[in-house]
Amino acid sequence: AQSVTQLDSQVPVFEEAPVELRCNYSSSVSVYLFWYVQYPNQGLQLLLKYLSGSTLVKGINGFEAEFNKSQTSFHLRKPSVHISDTAEYFCAVCNAGGTSYGKLTFGQGTILTVHP
Amino acid sequence: GAVVSQHPSWVICKSGTSVKIECRSLDFQATTMFWYRQFPKQSLMLMATSNEGSKATYEQGVEKDKFLINHASLTLSTLTVTSAHPEDSSFYICSARMGQGRTPLHFGNGTRLTVT
Repeated sequence: AQSVTQLDSQVPVFEEAPVELRCNYSSSVSVYLFWYVQYPNQGLQLLLKYLSGSTLVKGINGFEAEFNKSQTSFHLRKPSVHISDTAEYFCAVCNAGGTSYGKLTFGQGTILTVHP
Repeated sequence: GAVVSQHPSWVICKSGTSVKIECRSLDFQATTMFWYRQFPKQSLMLMATSNEGSKATYEQGVEKDKFLINHASLTLSTLTVTSAHPEDSSFYICSARMGQGRTPLHFGNGTRLTVT
């Protein structure tokens, strides 16, 4: 069984400030990791994913995340946020390999609110 | 980019009626589709996985006779909520991918179901 914990349910931040959204996971097998953004009443948009290779992953809209296997973390960061980054962010994992790719376990979500 | 169209985007129905939600891949063959449910202020939970031409595989605790999933073609999967009750009110989201391996996952925009 896997689980994903997003440590902050809400993160308020001022425009142009840096932000970090924290994600920890638990799994007995190797995993792939994802960050998604969800705007109100919309589906999910992939920000970035870690499958293999470099542990620092760069995504869209200036976001990046670092996979830390020893700490089982995959925190999302952005050096300077915009008002338009206000949304809910989900961290997710799935089993690496086999036929489980795409069967995602999601965290509880973090609502990022960017204030002017 | 690849698009998954989910319809309807919202639906209100009376208790005891059935509701069908469609998930279509518009420009790729979706060999596998996933159905998730998101209750208010909660995360997404995987309900079932469907492969084209096969019976869906349901996650533990999901009633297969209540949530009927059909994946009869490579571009269409449907989720039918039978005899809906107010507790079935939720946001339902599908995702789809093509082929095997680590192919991209594409999410629909979701369907908000309200059962009165």
